[in-house]
Amino acid sequence: AQSVTQPDIHITVSEGASLELRCNYSYGATPYLFWYVQSPGQGLQLLLKYFSGDTLVQGIKGFEAEFKRSQSSFNLRKPSVHWSDAAEYFCAVGYMDTGRRALTFGSGTRLQVQP
Amino acid sequence: DAGITQSPRHKVTETGTPVTLRCHQTENHRYMYWYRQDPGHGLRLIHYSYGVKDTDKGEVSDGYSVSRSKTEDFLLTLESATSSQTSVYFCAISLGAGGNNEQFFGPGTRLTVL
Repeated sequence: AQSVTQPDIHITVSEGASLELRCNYSYGATPYLFWYVQSPGQGLQLLLKYFSGDTLVQGIKGFEAEFKRSQSSFNLRKPSVHWSDAAEYFCAVGYMDTGRRALTFGSGTRLQVQP
Repeated sequence: DAGITQSPRHKVTETGTPVTLRCHQTENHRYMYWYRQDPGHGLRLIHYSYGVKDTDKGEVSDGYSVSRSKTEDFLLTLESATSSQTSVYFCAISLGAGGNNEQFFGPGTRLTVL
């Protein structure tokens, strides 16, 4: 079965430090990959997505992610974290096979930013 | 922001009572989804709809039913609420089918079943 793993439940970084959130997927074909962010009490907002082409994708708020097929990974990065980045981040994978029209989400990584 | 509203935003109910959550969109998107969010589980799909009166089950559909009589509305019903259905419920929409279509999410409904 397809699955998405976010191995880090909680991460704390200092403001201004770099950030990398890990995401691994299990899927037989090329997946469609997404990163969403959820601020407290809010819905999910799309940060970026990968469908095909350049494996390094840029998103909103200064985030980027790199698709590595050999590692089945789609890690999210930001060179310098701001206090407003404190939120929960979800990696998700989508499929094109018939009958499966939704996304499968990882369990999320909660980011805390220290001053 | 995508025009998605959910009502109510918060609800407290008792075990055994019926509950209906509403998702309303103004985007005229064909596909609509209901997810539940629980700590440690991320979001899990309950049901989805691929058109008016066309719905299908997701991975955690037991105890839930849905209806879609209009493009803009997708209702989620808990026929007899249980404490295990205490969760945050999110509605989502997408323009097309398949995994290459971005989903837009509503603000969520926090449901507590006592």
